[in-house]
Amino acid sequence: DVKVTQSSRYLVKRTGEKVFLECVQDMDHENMFWYRQDPGLGLRLIYFSYDVKMKEKGDIPEGYSVSREKKERFSLILESASTNQTSMYLCASSLWILAGGPGEQYFGPGTRLTVT
Amino acid sequence: SQELEQSPQSLIVQEGKNLTINCTSSKTLYGLYWYKQKYGEGLIFLMMLQKGGEEKSHEKITAKLDEKKQQSSLHITASQPSHAGIYLCGADKGYGNKLVFGAGTILRVKS
Repeated sequence: DVKVTQSSRYLVKRTGEKVFLECVQDMDHENMFWYRQDPGLGLRLIYFSYDVKMKEKGDIPEGYSVSREKKERFSLILESASTNQTSMYLCASSLWILAGGPGEQYFGPGTRLTVT
Repeated sequence: SQELEQSPQSLIVQEGKNLTINCTSSKTLYGLYWYKQKYGEGLIFLMMLQKGGEEKSHEKITAKLDEKKQQSSLHITASQPSHAGIYLCGADKGYGNKLVFGAGTILRVKS
């Protein structure tokens, strides 16, 4: 059974702290994604990676960075957490498809981050 | 950039009733994905539509993509409490294996 796991379901951090969110997939997928989900705004893409050490900014990358040192692991880093980064963070993975549209994305359970 | 509008934003239905959720795009859809999310959890893939006029069903859920490929609907027949959650549509951005998502529709089913 395919699986995407995230390091924490709930996390509470203080303003200014450095925060690491980890995501691991066991499907040998090339693509990995970090989204944040806020009420009324849906899912917004923060960063995307299509290969080890390769990354691409999404729609809202400000205040975030990412790391992909191994194919199965994609980390989201909040360099200095702020209260407006309180949100639900979702990781996803998919196969790289050359033509015919993106493949199905498989999602982790999410991390609800609260920054106080 | 492509935007997806979902309607309604939220819906409360009596168990056993039918319902429809819509997803409308400002541009032609080259791939439309429906996902379901239980509260506080990740998204589960339901169906993908690519061709104009295409219709797919899974159990009591049917999704359609119109001929012009700018609108999709998700229809649930004889709703059950297990159908409750957030339904999101996602569309192929046209490049880079990425999707853009609608804001979601919250469905509550009263038993």
